[in-house]
Amino acid sequence: EVQLVESGGGLVQPGGSLRLSCTASGFTFSSNWMSWVRQAPGKGLEWVASIKQDGNEKHCVDSVKGRFTISRDNAKNSLYLQMNSLRAEDTAVYYCARWDIWGQGTMVTVSS
Amino acid sequence: DIVMTQTPLSLSVTPGQPASISCKSSQSLLHSDGKTYLYWYLQKPGQPPQLLIYEVSNRFSGVPDRFSGSGSGTDFTLKISRVEAEDVGVYYCMQSIQFSSFGQGTRLEIK
Repeated sequence: EVQLVESGGGLVQPGGSLRLSCTASGFTFSSNWMSWVRQAPGKGLEWVASIKQDGNEKHCVDSVKGRFTISRDNAKNSLYLQMNSLRAEDTAVYYCARWDIWGQGTMVTVSS
Repeated sequence: DIVMTQTPLSLSVTPGQPASISCKSSQSLLHSDGKTYLYWYLQKPGQPPQLLIYEVSNRFSGVPDRFSGSGSGTDFTLKISRVEAEDVGVYYCMQSIQFSSFGQGTRLEIK
């Protein structure tokens, strides 16, 4: 079964860090661009970052530049999002996506 | 950055009636490879988005044929020929020609 499963969300204080993980199964992970998308409570979808198949090309939305880093480990079929200097406005459900496949999401809450 | 603008932001439709959602992009979504990178998603309550249409007009696997997509360049439309109760949720258009960005979403409810 084609599947993406996110983990690593939780409650963190402003200025703190979290690392999200996404494990892929059922398809050739190394052949696909992968992305993170977030959704703040009651809001719409916001693209966060994308990474090329070999990890050598990455892009992210301006609001997270210098704070978030997308990476991948093709040997482990895994996608990551390292989130530093977290702010209240980063509170959201974070989805891992291949555009035709989405995970169920992991909730990140930034609050003191 | 490419801005995606959807209209209307909400729809109330009687079952069996058609529905249409417009999506306009601030730049052309036509790539030099000949493809147009415009997608449509439906997000049902409490669920992740599910792909309906890719590259403007291609229905994704398992999507009912009452859903159709059309358009070119910067103007796109999603049509539902006969709305059913299970179509309730928020519809988003998305571009992936330049990184990615989503429309604001269109909430569809049943009358």
